[in-house]
Amino acid sequence: DAKTTQPPSMDCAEGRAANLPCNHSTISGNEYVYWYRQIHSQGPQYIIHGLKNNETNEMASLIITEDRKSSTLILPHATLRDTAVYYCIVANSGGSNYKLTFGKGTLLTVNP
Amino acid sequence: GAGVSQSPRYKVAKRGQDVALRCDPISGHVSLFWYQQALGQGPEFLTYFQNEAQLDKSGLPSDRFFAERPEGSVSTLKIQRTQQEDSAVYLCASSIKAQRAGNTIYFGEGSWLTVV
Repeated sequence: DAKTTQPPSMDCAEGRAANLPCNHSTISGNEYVYWYRQIHSQGPQYIIHGLKNNETNEMASLIITEDRKSSTLILPHATLRDTAVYYCIVANSGGSNYKLTFGKGTLLTVNP
Repeated sequence: GAGVSQSPRYKVAKRGQDVALRCDPISGHVSLFWYQQALGQGPEFLTYFQNEAQLDKSGLPSDRFFAERPEGSVSTLKIQRTQQEDSAVYLCASSIKAQRAGNTIYFGEGSWLTVV
């Protein structure tokens, strides 16, 4: 199953866009890119997922490169409550690779 | 409730004691997962159910760990003769099984187990 690479930490100023990168160069054709975040002492929170097209919802936007080897999660206007560990995961939850394999993620710190 | 519900939220067990952790998945969700998260680490897969069938238990760390979902809804993770290394957050997650891939998996808040 594909693995992902994320920077261990990032900082962002409150009100600015936070752009979190993720490399997944060995992703399979039927695997999706999922993003979750985990705020201290809470369970992982689903943010967004996509296959090959860019996706947007009320929380974030997901930009996937054309070759699908990398992606970027964009929080358009970061707030202090967005401080969390962000996990990029590739999986095919409806198929054979249904497990979510979490790496170490990126600790995003939003500063006032 | 609308989300995945877990109980107890916090549990302190004496070494050697048996514990049972409960998960109520989102109504109608066919798939159910258990994960273990040690302090400072990402969640790690323990086991997977599709309805009442336990299709994958490859992540259970020892035979002291046992999970069941007898009626295909509520699930219980049981840990026998707890050891200090069992101290962790135990996360339950569920998803609705659809014909196509790309299901969304939703997590509960976790049960925090401390073995003393």
